[in-house]
Amino acid sequence: QSALTQPPSVSGSPGQSVTISCTGTSSDVGSYNRVSWYQQPPGTAPKLMIYEVSNRPSGVPDRFSGSKSGNTASLTISGLRAEDEADYYCSSYTSSSTLVFGGGTKLTVL
Amino acid sequence: QVQLQQSGPGLVKPSQTLSLTCAISGDSVSSNSAAWNWIRQSPSRGLEWLGRTYYRSKWYNHYAVSVKSRITINPDTSKNQFSLHLNSVTPEDTAVYYCARDRGEYDILTGYYGLAYYFDYWGQGTLVSVSS
Repeated sequence: QSALTQPPSVSGSPGQSVTISCTGTSSDVGSYNRVSWYQQPPGTAPKLMIYEVSNRPSGVPDRFSGSKSGNTASLTISGLRAEDEADYYCSSYTSSSTLVFGGGTKLTVL
Repeated sequence: QVQLQQSGPGLVKPSQTLSLTCAISGDSVSSNSAAWNWIRQSPSRGLEWLGRTYYRSKWYNHYAVSVKSRITINPDTSKNQFSLHLNSVTPEDTAVYYCARDRGEYDILTGYYGLAYYFDYWGQGTLVSVSS
């Protein structure tokens, strides 16, 4: 199973919005609403930010939102803050009954 | 609050077996809703799900195809923990290894918990280097 495709990096200024894309295929993102997003600051474990495309776990700010269209899922961070600077990874269930992750996107807050 | 505490050696010789343990607090390895996973992360392979163990009236194990011939994940109910054993390691197995919980998803049709396919709690990570 190939990794999901994410842009290597995105950036934005404080207060702005950024969107990170996650492109898969009809065998994963396109067929299942089991897309999740993780935030990983340097040297720490990933943290769940979005599950099932657009659901936020308790404690995650509503500045974080998720969506999906076709084979591409997206994570949008609005009102960007310095503390949002981290690597972000998407993940999807696949038709092989397994999980595949994206290659990760480094978010820089300018 | 669920906490996962990993332990195990940070250096393993090629051809030997990598063994890590994940101790659970705030939940049970025998939970009828959760599943217990191992995931690794390396610069070359990114994040890679390795396998899971979970209990639904009996124990189940699922493994990634990439490591299926070399991996075993075992629950230890007496210590409320689970372990990863990866044999015949090579330098390509050098990575940060994480344990993580899949909290499960209730299936209203069957009345049982299936898998949620996302991870809400993670261990702190263990860097394992494979080198002679």
